[in-house]
Amino acid sequence: ILNVEQSPQSLHVQEGDSTNFTCSFPSSNFYALHWYRWETAKSPEALFVMTLNGDEKKKGRISATLNTKEGYSYLYIKGSQPEDSATYLCAFMLWNFNKFYFGSGTKLNVKP
Amino acid sequence: NAGVMQNPRHLVRRRGQEARLRCSPMKGHSHVYWYRQLPEEGLKFMVYLQKENIIDESGMPKERFSAEFPKEGPSILRIQQVVRGDSAAYFCASSPGQGSNTGELFFGEGSRLTVL
Repeated sequence: ILNVEQSPQSLHVQEGDSTNFTCSFPSSNFYALHWYRWETAKSPEALFVMTLNGDEKKKGRISATLNTKEGYSYLYIKGSQPEDSATYLCAFMLWNFNKFYFGSGTKLNVKP
Repeated sequence: NAGVMQNPRHLVRRRGQEARLRCSPMKGHSHVYWYRQLPEEGLKFMVYLQKENIIDESGMPKERFSAEFPKEGPSILRIQQVVRGDSAAYFCASSPGQGSNTGELFFGEGSRLTVL
């Protein structure tokens, strides 16, 4: 069983604050790293799929970076809005494509 | 294009009964994954299936749990003789499979099992 760790577990910020979370994963047998956004009472939706060391992806105010050699990825949210409130999951995929190991998520609450 | 459909959304069973959870993947997707979310925990991998094949069931308990993905029809996760510890949300996800350049998973809304 592989460990995918996310920190912090939860985060409370004010509207307009910028924030970032960390996903740590094993650096060997890396294939891909996914970020998902999971709103309450909905299903997780993919934000980013990252495959190459040094990858940087951006979608609106949200961006992510990837360091496969040291085994971490950062997710950044610039100017948080209440609608950004959700749990953000990262998932590590092994090279043989069989499994996705999920972290426990970072629960973000953005106060208006 | 309908997303991943899971049913039932909520299921209540008494100890010892059987629970059957169904998952219809997105159209064109041939790979299905089942995950379990226990209270206050993240998503734990259970099983990975392709049509008519179990590819990886290393996350599934050895007893009472089984999964299938027949040639026709939805994938089914079956839990026999349920116990209280089986109470959880069970999520299904699908992907187009190898050859897809993203590996992105598309999730259903989950089936919440409560064992009384």
